[in-house]
Amino acid sequence: AQKITQTQPGMFVQEKEAVTLDCTYDTSDPSYGLFWYKQPSSGEMIFLIYQGSYDQQNATEGRYSLNFQKARKSANLVISASQLGDSAMYFCAMRGRSSYKLIFGSGTRLLVRP
Amino acid sequence: EAQVTQNPRYLITVTGKKLTVTCSQNMNHEYMSWYRQDPGLGLRQIYYSMNVEVTDKGDVPEGYKVSRKEKRNFPLILESPSPNQTSLYFCASSLRLATSHEQYFGPGTRLTVT
Repeated sequence: AQKITQTQPGMFVQEKEAVTLDCTYDTSDPSYGLFWYKQPSSGEMIFLIYQGSYDQQNATEGRYSLNFQKARKSANLVISASQLGDSAMYFCAMRGRSSYKLIFGSGTRLLVRP
Repeated sequence: EAQVTQNPRYLITVTGKKLTVTCSQNMNHEYMSWYRQDPGLGLRQIYYSMNVEVTDKGDVPEGYKVSRKEKRNFPLILESPSPNQTSLYFCASSLRLATSHEQYFGPGTRLTVT
């Protein structure tokens, strides 16, 4: 069975500071992809970043980076220099090669304080 | 503009009245999927389609039907809606079903069944 766990229901961060959102996963697939999505209050799901299980380097996309620790089965999202517009719900998701779907965690609500 | 569209965005209906939520993508994607989002549960897959005329059940298919007669369209049908189908629904698509292919999400349909 595949599973994504996000243990932080809510987090605060001060504007311009960095924040790490935790994500651990479980899968028996040797090949899988890990994704982070942002859901602002308007409701849409916005793709942020992707990490492949065989990628040697951590993925980065602008202010977003993924701290991938394969042995620990963790894929934490790091947001640098937080902005007020980063306030949103963040979902970690995974798809194993043998799966037909994305498995989502329960999400972390991030609030950026001015 | 590459996008996934859903209609309607908001719908309030009564128990038992058949409804269809449309989903369309303009990216020539082979894979399409429907999810529902409920508080504390993240997103759960309802149905998916690997290509035209190829559909299969996800984790929570009860009470839903789908069809894929054209590559671009993947409607979700609720034959006899019930209050427990009150939820936020997302249609998603990706080029193919590969671990590296992110899924593009539609804007969501907020359904209330009374």
